[in-house]
Amino acid sequence: DTEVTQTPKHLVMGMTNKKSLKCEQHMGHRAMYWYKQKAKKPPELMFVYSYEKLSINESVPSRFSPECPNSSLLNLHLHALQPEDSALYLCASSSEGPGSYTFGSGTRLTVV
Amino acid sequence: GQNIDQPTEMTATEGAIVQINCTYQTSGFNGLFWYQQHAGEAPTFLSYNVLDGLEEKGRFSSFLSRSKGYSYLLLKELQMKDSASYLCAVSGITGGGNKLTFGTGTQLKVEL
Repeated sequence: DTEVTQTPKHLVMGMTNKKSLKCEQHMGHRAMYWYKQKAKKPPELMFVYSYEKLSINESVPSRFSPECPNSSLLNLHLHALQPEDSALYLCASSSEGPGSYTFGSGTRLTVV
Repeated sequence: GQNIDQPTEMTATEGAIVQINCTYQTSGFNGLFWYQQHAGEAPTFLSYNVLDGLEEKGRFSSFLSRSKGYSYLLLKELQMKDSASYLCAVSGITGGGNKLTFGTGTQLKVEL
């Protein structure tokens, strides 16, 4: 299995909703990542988990809350989002060396 | 920090060859990636260079010169389906995991 699986593929949520994005990989990768990509912009790193511990938080607002329940799963909990948070959210994973960096197909999030 | 530059747009003819350049300034270099991204989709891995030289993979080749902070992606025998955004991304080790920093992307348009 050489894939990173993200669910759901599309999500529409209101500003008062609570929702979660999910990411799963079975490649034995010990680092997992969340990126955010706005239209016509490159992906921007949000969080890095290494060996199930949060190692990087790129000053992301607290309305985004990551969670790594085990080495194969990565969640992103969403609460009280704003319309400007609408974007493509990408999960990725990698082994110790970066050459194995793999992206999931993304979740297209729309906040209304 | 990291600074990555690539041209914003390029146009080429079907069947031709196109070279997309990327220059970077970075600390803690751990490899350079090229990704292809069609509108509304996730980035797709094309190539990874960590040592100087040329890596060839079918119609796509990528070159790296670490001393010059320079890479290029070469696409041969262009097809209409190659019209997409091409993202240069530099990997840096940052206290756990490998952080990818992306250039702004080069929008390639392939014409008849």
